[in-house]
Amino acid sequence: GNSVTQMEGPVTLSEEAFLTINCTYTATGYPSLFWYVQYPGEGLQLLLKATKADDKGSNKGFEATYRKETTSFHLEKGSVQVSDSAVYFCALQGGSEKLVFGKGMKLTVNP
Amino acid sequence: EAGVVQSPRYKIIEKKQPVAFWCNPISGHNTLYWYRQNLGQGPELLIRYENEEAVDDSQLPKDRFSAERLKGVDSTLKIQPAELGDSAVYLCASSPRGAGGHNEQYFGPGTRLTVT
Repeated sequence: GNSVTQMEGPVTLSEEAFLTINCTYTATGYPSLFWYVQYPGEGLQLLLKATKADDKGSNKGFEATYRKETTSFHLEKGSVQVSDSAVYFCALQGGSEKLVFGKGMKLTVNP
Repeated sequence: EAGVVQSPRYKIIEKKQPVAFWCNPISGHNTLYWYRQNLGQGPELLIRYENEEAVDDSQLPKDRFSAERLKGVDSTLKIQPAELGDSAVYLCASSPRGAGGHNEQYFGPGTRLTVT
């Protein structure tokens, strides 16, 4: 079945540091790929998505590129802020519309 | 636009007791999902509704879990009787279209259940 493997953390960075969160997937067909973020005390929010190979999703300074050849969708941000502290989930969605999530990675950014 | 509403936000019960969670999706969203998120894990789908029809309940433990979505709007998820292993966050999500499109799912804040 479909599955997602992502860095689990927790990770602590200083403000303005570079962030990479690795995500790889296993899926049949051509899934859509997502990054969701969960800020403290809030529900899951879609951060960005990509629906086909080589698409780049971007939002709030975060980027991720759908790499079919390496089955990856790594999340990057060039300069993190304290407000980026949250739990980040990589997810895929196949034909059934069911979202399959990774385990999540908790990021803490210190001033 | 109001988001997905869930209640209660927190619930503490003793094992073997029943519990119910309520979800009101975003207006106009015909697809509704219930997910369970165990501590330190990503959410896992329990059931998906298209309007009032449960189209994917393969992951729902039917011996103790039940769900309904009367009139294709609000939904209730019930556990009876609850077990210690049911402690988790129960998330409701909705999306604006049915099967065939990869539409964004909008999540509610969840109900944190603790079974003692």
